[in-house]
Amino acid sequence: DTEVTQTPKHLVMGMTNKKSLKCEQHMGHRAMYWYKQKAKKPPELMFVYSYEKLSINESVPSRFSPECPNSSLLNLHLHALQPEDSALYLCASSWGTSNYEQYFGPGTRLTVT
Amino acid sequence: QKEVEQDPGPLSVPEGAIVSLNCTYSNSAFQYFMWYRQYSRKGPELLMYTYSSGNKEDGRFTAQVDKSSKYISLFIRDSQPSDSATYLCAMSVRGSSNTGKLIFGQGTTLQVKP
Repeated sequence: DTEVTQTPKHLVMGMTNKKSLKCEQHMGHRAMYWYKQKAKKPPELMFVYSYEKLSINESVPSRFSPECPNSSLLNLHLHALQPEDSALYLCASSWGTSNYEQYFGPGTRLTVT
Repeated sequence: QKEVEQDPGPLSVPEGAIVSLNCTYSNSAFQYFMWYRQYSRKGPELLMYTYSSGNKEDGRFTAQVDKSSKYISLFIRDSQPSDSATYLCAMSVRGSSNTGKLIFGQGTTLQVKP
């Protein structure tokens, strides 16, 4: 089973709202990732967690706050977003960060109004 | 110059055709190569991955890596309308210097017409 699940599938939020995206995997993977994807562009890496510790932050604005409560779960907390943050947010996981292929979830389509 | 170059297309072929999708790269440290398929408004699905030069086959799909030319390809035989999607190549470096960061191509949009 190579399934990564994400909730919600769609999210509409105002610029003053606080919301969270959730990602879960039960493959025993120890690395988890958040990506942002705009239309007709490849995914852009935002954060990498390795063994539940944040190992990469690709200079993401602080209005995006990741959290890894355990090895199976990854959250992305959103606050005071801008309309240009509207995108498909993808979660991925892999066995580790070295030499391993990544499996993506279906994504959360976020619209900021 | 981008680290990974991929023609965005679109590429339109008739059903049953052999499709060739390609990426070139400039970083000789890349050792792991992946192909993802992404349907509209869905997440990328891992199709093929390979760690070495040569060919790897899986059903109708063949991934080819030529490290000497820094060129990778994905061939789709007997293409079907259901293969219509965007195909993304991705690659990463090897070993302890691999932080988990994938470098993606821009993606090629493929349309297979019945």
